[in-house]
Amino acid sequence: QSALTQPASVSGSPGQPVTISCTGSWNDVGGYGQVSWYQQHPGKAPKLLIFDVYHRPSEISDRFSASKSGTTASLTISGLQPEDEADYYCSSYTDTSTLVLFGGGTKVTVL
Amino acid sequence: QVTLKESGPVLVKPTDTLTLTCSVSGFSLSGPRMGVSWIRQPPGKAPQWLAHIFSNDEKSYSASLKSRLTIFKDTSKSQVVLVMTNMDPADTGTYFCARAVAATYVSAFDNFGEGTVVTVSS
Repeated sequence: QSALTQPASVSGSPGQPVTISCTGSWNDVGGYGQVSWYQQHPGKAPKLLIFDVYHRPSEISDRFSASKSGTTASLTISGLQPEDEADYYCSSYTDTSTLVLFGGGTKVTVL
Repeated sequence: QVTLKESGPVLVKPTDTLTLTCSVSGFSLSGPRMGVSWIRQPPGKAPQWLAHIFSNDEKSYSASLKSRLTIFKDTSKSQVVLVMTNMDPADTGTYFCARAVAATYVSAFDNFGEGTVVTVSS
């Protein structure tokens, strides 16, 4: 099963918004409402930012928002801050024999 | 407070069998919709989901690794164990266990362990 497709990198200046896409298929992203997003700093475990397409855990800043259209999900970071520089991964439930797919990851650079 | 902690060997030889243990606290492995996955991450690469065990003891495996993986739990000890056979240098990476609160559609992992680094080398 191929990973979900994400851009390798995106960048932005402090205060600007950046959007990361995550493209899958109708067997995963497009067919189900179980898309999640994670932030990972070097040497650390992934941290859940978004679940079920657009829901945020209570401790996550509202600068992080997400949506889905067809087979593509998107994560937007508004008001980019230096601490947002990290790797970001999407994941989705899949109805194939593999239960969960991850994206290839996007490195966010704050200029 | 929910915590997960991985333990196991740091170094294994090719063809060895790897056994990793995830010790959890702050929730019960038999609690409603409580499940635990193993996820690995090769150096510099994206996470790869390996296996999941549900609250009702149902198990699910990565299709590409299914023949090499076994997941099981000891609820009384609050531990989830992953066994991976026939280790190869390509299996080198950080292995995480993570909690997912889901009855069926697993996707969101709300708590991760800190990970354990496994190197496969002779």
